[in-house]
Amino acid sequence: LAKTTQPISMDSYEGQEVNITCSHNNIATNDYITWYQQFPSQGPRFIIQGYKTKVTNEVASLFIPADRKSSTLSLPRVSLSDTAVYYCLVGDRANAGKSTFGDGTTLTVKP
Amino acid sequence: NAGVMQNPRHLVRRRGQEARLRCSPMKGHSHVYWYRQLPEEGLKFMVYLQKENIIDESGMPKERFSAEFPKEGPSILRIQQVVRGDSAAYFCASSGQLDNSPLHFGNGTRLTVT
Repeated sequence: LAKTTQPISMDSYEGQEVNITCSHNNIATNDYITWYQQFPSQGPRFIIQGYKTKVTNEVASLFIPADRKSSTLSLPRVSLSDTAVYYCLVGDRANAGKSTFGDGTTLTVKP
Repeated sequence: NAGVMQNPRHLVRRRGQEARLRCSPMKGHSHVYWYRQLPEEGLKFMVYLQKENIIDESGMPKERFSAEFPKEGPSILRIQQVVRGDSAAYFCASSGQLDNSPLHFGNGTRLTVT
């Protein structure tokens, strides 16, 4: 079971860079690391996915060390609208039932 | 999220009634997943289906819960004889063909059992 561990909450201020780390010591060879964002009363929304090293898209970067036992979601220059719960999910389709979202990290961005 | 459609958005049922939750995946997606989320908690996997097949139902309670994804039409999550503990948000997600295809979620159905 690819259990994930994230900080329960984080605070930041507008314009700062935010890094959220997820630990997944039991990650399997076939597992991908995917991060989602969830606002109240909405379904999670895909942010970024990676397998190893670094991945960057228009909204975030994902850093994965060589041992893949952790990953760090980096949000550059956050704004108030980035206040949400962030989940990392480790797994692949074949193990969908064994991929857990965990309790997520509640990020609060202050003005 | 607009691609995955769930209905109804809110559903109120009395104890003992049946709840039927519907999910239409994104166009071109044939993999559907159901998750349950209790207040202030993360999402818990329930079941993974492809067209006409249940692939993984390891997260589904053994009794009263069932899911299907017929050849035509939406995926249905059915809860028989609902109890207060079934009150939760139920999210559906769909994904594409690749094993690492990310999940695309709907906005959920909030079930309240009175």
